[in-house]
Amino acid sequence: NAGVTQTPKFQVLKTGQSMTLQCAQDMNHNSMYWYRQDPGMGLRLIYYSASEGTTDKGEVPNGYNVSRLNKREFSLRLESAAPSQTSVYFCASSEALLGTGGRAQHFGDGTRLSIL
Amino acid sequence: SQQGEEDPQALSIQEGENATMNCSYKTSINNLQWYRQNSGRGLVHLILIRSNEREKHSGRLRVTLDTSKKSSSLLITASRAADTASYFCATARTSGTYKYIFGTGTRLKVLA
Repeated sequence: NAGVTQTPKFQVLKTGQSMTLQCAQDMNHNSMYWYRQDPGMGLRLIYYSASEGTTDKGEVPNGYNVSRLNKREFSLRLESAAPSQTSVYFCASSEALLGTGGRAQHFGDGTRLSIL
Repeated sequence: SQQGEEDPQALSIQEGENATMNCSYKTSINNLQWYRQNSGRGLVHLILIRSNEREKHSGRLRVTLDTSKKSSSLLITASRAADTASYFCATARTSGTYKYIFGTGTRLKVLA
């Protein structure tokens, strides 16, 4: 039972390079999320997808784009990486959109991204 | 902006002792969740408590919620070395909510 799988686990980029972080879940969840985690800041929501075919901005969307490829997969793209985007990125999924009675989120183990 | 703030930031106890960590938040909530994060791993859901509930138990975990004080506490009883981790609260607001706001976490170290 893989749960939420993120690739790659580590990545080093140079300023201005682009890359896509991949996320896939095998729990048949409707909703998926991308967070970043920085020291002393907790987790901050970048983008989320309530269901297949929809995406919306979270707290810190600038510099990122997302694609909900299908029900299983939700990717995060950095078009022109900046040092301020050095962080640990987490993908999560839940049965339904949060707030409708509350749903546990299931997290991947993260992608550690350094931008030089 | 931060919604949940955990207290203390760090806690070190002996195995077998109880660990209590607190979460304060600023706005009205629909529900509150606690998560655990082991070093280098993703977050793991521990427990959810809704705004109309005051206390919930799950194994060695006890969570309380005081909406009048806008605070919650997580109690881990008879702690084990394996409980060493960071613990986060996450709150879902009542109005137009689609997301959880995570606090900055409490780092718990349980000494064997």
